[in-house]
Amino acid sequence: GNSVTQMEGPVTLSEEAFLTINCTYTATGYPSLFWYVQYPGEGLQLLLKATKADDKGSNKGFEATYRKETTSFHLEKGSVQVSDSAVYFCALILNSGNTPLVFGKGTRLSVIA
Amino acid sequence: GAVVSQHPSRVICKSGTSVKIECRSLDFQATTMFWYRQFPKKSLMLMATSNEGSKATYEQGVEKDKFLINHASLTLSTLTVTSAHPEDSSFYICSARSRASATYEQYFGPGTRLTVT
Repeated sequence: GNSVTQMEGPVTLSEEAFLTINCTYTATGYPSLFWYVQYPGEGLQLLLKATKADDKGSNKGFEATYRKETTSFHLEKGSVQVSDSAVYFCALILNSGNTPLVFGKGTRLSVIA
Repeated sequence: GAVVSQHPSRVICKSGTSVKIECRSLDFQATTMFWYRQFPKKSLMLMATSNEGSKATYEQGVEKDKFLINHASLTLSTLTVTSAHPEDSSFYICSARSRASATYEQYFGPGTRLTVT
């Protein structure tokens, strides 16, 4: 089946620290990969995406590279801010058929000043 | 572009009553809409998938008679929680897929917090 595994949280970092949130996937087909962010009390916002191997998605200082050989899509940011505190969800969708996103369990990030 | 709205954003209702939540795609046509439920500090649980003009497909364990989904047009889907009970209290999020999207991307609404007293 299709699934997404991401590192357990919560993750607590000091401001300006380096962030990595690991995400690996299994898929029966060829997926597109996504990172969504959920700020407290809000819905999900697309943070970045990659649709094929070796693509790098980037937005707001966050980056993730689609690694087919390791089936991974790790999220990174060089210097986090307090405003980055949120829950981050890794997700995939198969590039064929009208199927829903498959989400990981989410990783809660807290950045302290 | 690709904005999805939900209404209401918060609702409090008494046990035994029904509540309707609307999900609209504001600037695109949504061939498919998804309804999710999120418990506190948990991931999203897919409840059902609805395609415009056809019956919704419910995930295993979701009561279709309790959670009525209607997708009457390419821009509107509704979720009605019938005979609500306190255990139905949750954060409900809808998502819409654009008919024009080649990557099957889903756009999410801001969510509706339902509290049943």
